[in-house]
Formats: sequence, C-alpha cells, structure tokens
Amino acid sequence: DSGVTQTPKHLITATGQRVTLRCSPRSGDLSVYWYQQSLDQGLQFLIQYYNGEERAKGNILERFSAQQFPDLHSELNLSSLELGDSALYFCASTPRVRRSGYTFGSGTRLTVV
Amino acid sequence: KNEVEQSPQNLTAQEGEFITINCSYSVGISALHWLQQHPGGGIVSLFMLSSGKKKHGRLIATINIQEKHSSLHITASHPRDSAVYICAVEGDRDDKIIFGKGTRLHILP
Repeated sequence: DSGVTQTPKHLITATGQRVTLRCSPRSGDLSVYWYQQSLDQGLQFLIQYYNGEERAKGNILERFSAQQFPDLHSELNLSSLELGDSALYFCASTPRVRRSGYTFGSGTRLTVV
Repeated sequence: KNEVEQSPQNLTAQEGEFITINCSYSVGISALHWLQQHPGGGIVSLFMLSSGKKKHGRLIATINIQEKHSSLHITASHPRDSAVYICAVEGDRDDKIIFGKGTRLHILP
C-alpha cells in the first residue's frame, strides 16, 4: 500500500455519461497530480493541485475537471465520455509543489462502452 | 520530435547482465524522475534527480544537465526487474510534467 488511495479501481460506463474518480493523497502530502495512461499515448499529465489550489494544467480536455478539497482529497470529473477516454487514470501525491518524489495510487481503469 | 525521448524502446537481456536505459530531453528542467511500472500496472517512483548521481540497491541513475541526458543503470539484472521504465521531466518554467514513452525491459532467467 503506497498510502495514496484511488477509488474505484475499475469503472465501466457508457458513452455520454459522467464519472467521478477519487484520490486520497499520502498523509502529509499537499500536492496531488492526475495522469492519464492510454495504450497509444503513454502517460500524460492532466492537472496538479497544491493545498486546494490548481497549480498546473497539462493535456486536460475541457470535458474534464478536477478539484482538491480542504481535507486534501481530490476528484477528477470526466463528462460526455467518449470511447477514446478509456484509459488508466493515476493519481500521485508529493509533499511539495516541485522536486519531490511521487507516490502513486494504484489507478482507476475506466472503460467506456 | 518528442520533448522526452527514451531508448531503447524495448530491451531483452539475460539475468545478470548490466542494463542501461537512456533518456534525452529538449526542455529546461528543474528535476527528472525515473519511474517503474510493473505488468500489473502499478507505478513506483525510483529516483528524482536534479544533478549528479543517485544509487539505490542495484539501481543507479545519473543526469548530465548540460547534455540534457539521463541514464538508468541496473546491475546484476534479475527477472523481477522486468517492467516498463519511464523517464519524466519537470519543466523549469512551469509545473508541467512531460513523460517519455517508456522502455520495456524483459530479463530472461
């Protein structure tokens, strides 16, 4: 157990639907990152939060949004789902904003049918 | 051209061999990370480097900031080292992270 908890582990949903992925960072870590890993694209950085504030944005689609709550857990919301959104979604946490080793969650496997 | 390039893409070696995986990048960075992803999908952070060299057990990571190049070495490789090794860089002008496409390593017993 890495200390980063992601739920659910697996999710199957239909096109057009909306889902929420949840991440609880390792105790004491203030920064949360979301990544998408699809077969053809590899790992892609989506978004980073630090202590409740958005810090950096990567290749995150407008249909996707995220937030970090006061208790530091984070949620990634994916809406108007398309088949191409099927992927592994990882969350990672670090103690600081930059130059910290990542602790990864085990990921959420999203399948859009 | 990708901003982070890894080589080789795939590597098969015999148990005991010395392994080198390379990562070259074209952007200014504040740090470089080496990650390991096992077949089950879980990702583990191996090293975070901003200069020099780090060692952990049989793993050694080096970085040359001037040449924009990093290497990950595995000594006395073992079948349990079979995994995908991913290089990632933190940009020095923003907090974005850019990943290489990974090197798939297979160590034969």
